Amino acid sequence: EAGVTQFPSHSVIEKGQTVTLRCDPISGHDNLYWYRRVMGKEIKFLLHFVKESKQDESGMPNNRFLAERTGGTYSTLKVQPAELEDSGVYFCASRKSGTDEQYFGPGTRLTVT
Amino acid sequence: SQKIEQNSEALNIQEGKTATLTCNYTNYSPAYLQWYRQDPGRGPVFLLLIRENEKEKRKERLKVTFDTTLKQSLFHITASQPADSATYLCALGSSNTGKLIFGQGTTLQVKP
Repeated sequence: EAGVTQFPSHSVIEKGQTVTLRCDPISGHDNLYWYRRVMGKEIKFLLHFVKESKQDESGMPNNRFLAERTGGTYSTLKVQPAELEDSGVYFCASRKSGTDEQYFGPGTRLTVT
Repeated sequence: SQKIEQNSEALNIQEGKTATLTCNYTNYSPAYLQWYRQDPGRGPVFLLLIRENEKEKRKERLKVTFDTTLKQSLFHITASQPADSATYLCALGSSNTGKLIFGQGTTLQVKP
């Protein structure tokens, strides 16, 4: 069974540009989460999808971040326009309803210069 | 606010010994606690989950305890091996949403 995949693995962009991160959850997992780890800090929750609906987006830093999960399969996280403080590693995780274990992807390392 | 503390300093032990990592939390009543392993440049890998009504859980050389009175979980690796060297993260969760709150992690170094 394939695990959670994320694309790209690395992205380097300039301040003011736009970047879109993609996450493909484990097949059959209707819960999808985005998390972020900035340098020196712990991994922090951004938002949670159940199928295509946003269940909780309380961790989204501001309105420059837009997450979508059209069709309830893969998800994208767009940052527009990117700022220096957006640099970090963005993780996606998925969970099957009825269970509690979350499985993480390898992450996307975003560097804003 | 909710806070999770893990040993901030790296833990260095000799191969074959038991490693014990600590996770303490405040201002939170989690439904469960998960332990993850993370290697450099990779995502967290799920190891074990223990629920609030469970005292202890084991999986191969791993053992987790959960004391909701002390608000503490201990993670043990017995007969440690150099391949166990990694950063270990604890994360608290709620059954309502599944949203996880992470500690900063403890780096374990097992020397041959």
